[in-house]
Amino acid sequence: DTEVTQTPKHLVMGMTNKKSLKCEQHMGHRAMYWYKQKAKKPPELMFVYSYEKLSINESVPSRFSPECPNSSLLNLHLHALQPEDSALYLCASSQVLSGGANEQFFGPGTRLTVL
Amino acid sequence: RKEVEQDPGPFNVPEGATVAFNCTYSNSASQSFFWYRQDCRKEPKLLMSVYSSGNEDGRFTAQLNRASQYISLLIRDSKLSDSATYLCVVTGSSNTGKLIFGQGTTLQVKP
Repeated sequence: DTEVTQTPKHLVMGMTNKKSLKCEQHMGHRAMYWYKQKAKKPPELMFVYSYEKLSINESVPSRFSPECPNSSLLNLHLHALQPEDSALYLCASSQVLSGGANEQFFGPGTRLTVL
Repeated sequence: RKEVEQDPGPFNVPEGATVAFNCTYSNSASQSFFWYRQDCRKEPKLLMSVYSSGNEDGRFTAQLNRASQYISLLIRDSKLSDSATYLCVVTGSSNTGKLIFGQGTTLQVKP
């Protein structure tokens, strides 16, 4: 089973709201990722977690705050976002970061609109 | 120069055609190589990993040429359902898990 689930599917929020995106995988993967994707562009990496520890932050603004409560869950907390943050937010997981089992499997994404 | 370069297309082909996509990457120390497929407004789905020996999965064949830093994907007997954007993806030289995506090649298979 190569399933990564994300909730919610769609989210509309105002610039003063606080919301969270959730991601879950039950494949025993130890690496999890957040990506942002704008229309007609490839995904851009935001954060990487390995064994529940943050290993990469791609200079993401602090209004995005990731959290990895356990090996199956990854959250992205959103606060004071800007309209230009509207995008598809994708979660992915892989068995490990590198080596022979590093294929990443993506969730269906959360389509975020910031008003 | 982009780290991963692909012809964005679109490639418009009739059903049953054979179509080939190419991709070049700039970092000779890249370790892993993939093709992902992405349908409109959906997530990228792993199509296949790419190995130096080449690999085939049904109608799809992927090749890697490390010396030329070149990756290819061949689709035989195209189906309407193959219409999608195909993303060439490589990992960086360090073991960070970071994927570097090409801009994607759009394929439209027509009846």
